[in-house]
Amino acid sequence: DSGVTQTPKHLITATGQRVTLRCSPRSGDLSVYWYQQSLDQGLQFLIQYYNGEERAKGNILERFSAQQFPDLHSELNLSSLELGDSALYFCASSLRTGITHEQYFGPGTRLTVT
Amino acid sequence: AQKITQTQPGMFVQEKEAVTLDCTYDTSDPSYGLFWYKQPSSGEMIFLIYQGSYDQQNATEGRYSLNFQKARKSANLVISASQLGDSAMYFCAMREGQGDYKLSFGAGTTVTVRA
Repeated sequence: DSGVTQTPKHLITATGQRVTLRCSPRSGDLSVYWYQQSLDQGLQFLIQYYNGEERAKGNILERFSAQQFPDLHSELNLSSLELGDSALYFCASSLRTGITHEQYFGPGTRLTVT
Repeated sequence: AQKITQTQPGMFVQEKEAVTLDCTYDTSDPSYGLFWYKQPSSGEMIFLIYQGSYDQQNATEGRYSLNFQKARKSANLVISASQLGDSAMYFCAMREGQGDYKLSFGAGTTVTVRA
């Protein structure tokens, strides 16, 4: 158990819909990252938050948005869903201090868009 | 350009033998970190081992060791004494810069351990 929690574990929805994925980082971790894993694109970085503020953006679609709340949990909002958005969405967290800054991943949310 | 290249899509290894998973990387940043993660069929991503660009010695963690060849920009993972539970997808990843920055992942290598 990495200490990072994600809900829900599975989500099935229809095209055009909107969903929210939730992540709680490990205790003490201030950085939260979102990654998307799909068969055609592999593992891609979407966005990073640090202590409530957006820190870095990757290949995140405009239909997607995220935020990190004062209690450090984060939500990834996906709207106007398309079939191609079906993927495994991971949240990861890491310590700001230290040397390695290894990221610990949650179990993922498997999104299926039908 | 691909930052991380894993050229072996799949490998078979006999139980109790060692296996080497290849990883090459591309960066112009002198400060970077290299990571290996394991993804079993259940889907979670498990951190295995880390190597910093300034580390003089190769990293080791139990049965995992990282063969770091900086001049060749390679960071191969060696799993010794393979176990059936090692069957999984393995990802090489890189963080550029010295801080809590994003990871860039390779395509992964599937390892199947045979009894």
